[in-house]
Amino acid sequence: EVQLVESGGGLVQPGRSLRLSCAASGFTFDDYAMHWVRQAPGKGLEWVSYISWNSDNIDYADSVKGRFTISRDNAKDSLYLQMNSLRAEDTALYYCAKTSAGGGYFDYWGQGTRVTVSS
Amino acid sequence: DIVMTQSPDSLAVSLGERATINCKSSQSVLYSSNNKNYLAWYQQKPGQPPKLLIYWASTRESGVPDRFSGSGSGTDFTLTISSLQAEDVAVYYCHQYYITPGAFGPGTKVDIK
Repeated sequence: EVQLVESGGGLVQPGRSLRLSCAASGFTFDDYAMHWVRQAPGKGLEWVSYISWNSDNIDYADSVKGRFTISRDNAKDSLYLQMNSLRAEDTALYYCAKTSAGGGYFDYWGQGTRVTVSS
Repeated sequence: DIVMTQSPDSLAVSLGERATINCKSSQSVLYSSNNKNYLAWYQQKPGQPPKLLIYWASTRESGVPDRFSGSGSGTDFTLTISSLQAEDVAVYYCHQYYITPGAFGPGTKVDIK
């Protein structure tokens, strides 16, 4: 059974940093690209970042470019999101999502980890 | 970037009746070399992560009831729930994965009338 378990969220002051993790199991992690998607309270889904299976290809939403860094450790079956210079508008539930084998849609999602940026 | 829009924002349908959600992309998501539309639909129930319903615009994910169907091509797509059940109350999102950054529609909330 595929499982994605996010952790690392919490309450943080504006301008500070936070590192999110996503532990994957139930599939061959290093075969798949992975994504982070966030959802602000009461709002829709916003794609945040993407990393290819071997970390050669990485991309970010304009809203986080230069502040967030995605990475993965295939030996540990883990995905990460380093978030620096956090802003109030980064407050959201952060999901990690697995890309399907056949295309770029997301076939599995974690339960999410909540990030609140507030003084 | 591709921008996704959905209509309506919300709808209320009687149990057993049809619900129709529309999704439009600002540019075509049809890849001519394989004739596939890079469009997916997700269902999100309160307090839960999104769940994949449909991919390639019309292919139902394994385990998804056949009352859910997707159609359309190019820039215009539709998700249809043929006979609404109580457990279908949720927000539905379309998603283009034709190019990065992938973009989601704003969502359509479906309720029982």
